[in-house]
Amino acid sequence: AQSVTQLGSHVSVSEGALVLLRCNYSSSVPPYLFWYVQYPNQGLQLLLKYTSAATLVKGINGFEAEFKKSETSFHLTKPSAHMSDAAEYFCAVSDRGGSNYKLTFGKGTLLTVNP
Amino acid sequence: GAGVSQSPSNKVTEKGKDVELRCDPISGHTALYWYRQSLGQGLEFLIYFQGNSAPDKSGLPSDRFSAERTGESVSTLTIQRTQQEDSAVYLCASSPWSDGGGYTFGSGTRLTVV
Repeated sequence: AQSVTQLGSHVSVSEGALVLLRCNYSSSVPPYLFWYVQYPNQGLQLLLKYTSAATLVKGINGFEAEFKKSETSFHLTKPSAHMSDAAEYFCAVSDRGGSNYKLTFGKGTLLTVNP
Repeated sequence: GAGVSQSPSNKVTEKGKDVELRCDPISGHTALYWYRQSLGQGLEFLIYFQGNSAPDKSGLPSDRFSAERTGESVSTLTIQRTQQEDSAVYLCASSPWSDGGGYTFGSGTRLTVV
């Protein structure tokens, strides 16, 4: 079975500061990894995904994540936080069986951006 | 349509009643997923449809839950004899076949059982 651990249920940063959201996974097979963002009262939006190509993945809104197999990590970063980045962020791993890419999600990290 | 559409957006029902939730996926997306999001359990997989293949129902929490999909179009999730623990946000997502899990999610249906 696959699992995802997000370290820190709540992260607070100042506007303009570095954003670092941590994600560690466990998987018995090479994983597909994802970061999703959820704004209040909305569904989840895909930020970026790793599917075994380049280990540094760039996503939307200036976010990027690096796949580190040795550390089983897929941390999400952004050099400079904006107020509009305040949301909940979910890391997920794909449990791929054939064409079924059902996801196992972490518990989420709520990002607060202070002016 | 341009996105995944879910209806209703909010549903309040009495304990013991049946409810039906609807999902309209993006046209051409053959894969459709249902997830449940609750405070206690986070995001949980419920069911997966892919074309005319047998659905993966492994995430359905009890036999009170069922789902159908007609071809590659609309899906309905039905909860019979609702219980208070069914209160959650039910999210639908779709993707092209073999897209590696990068779904497009709908905005969800918030179900409250009173």
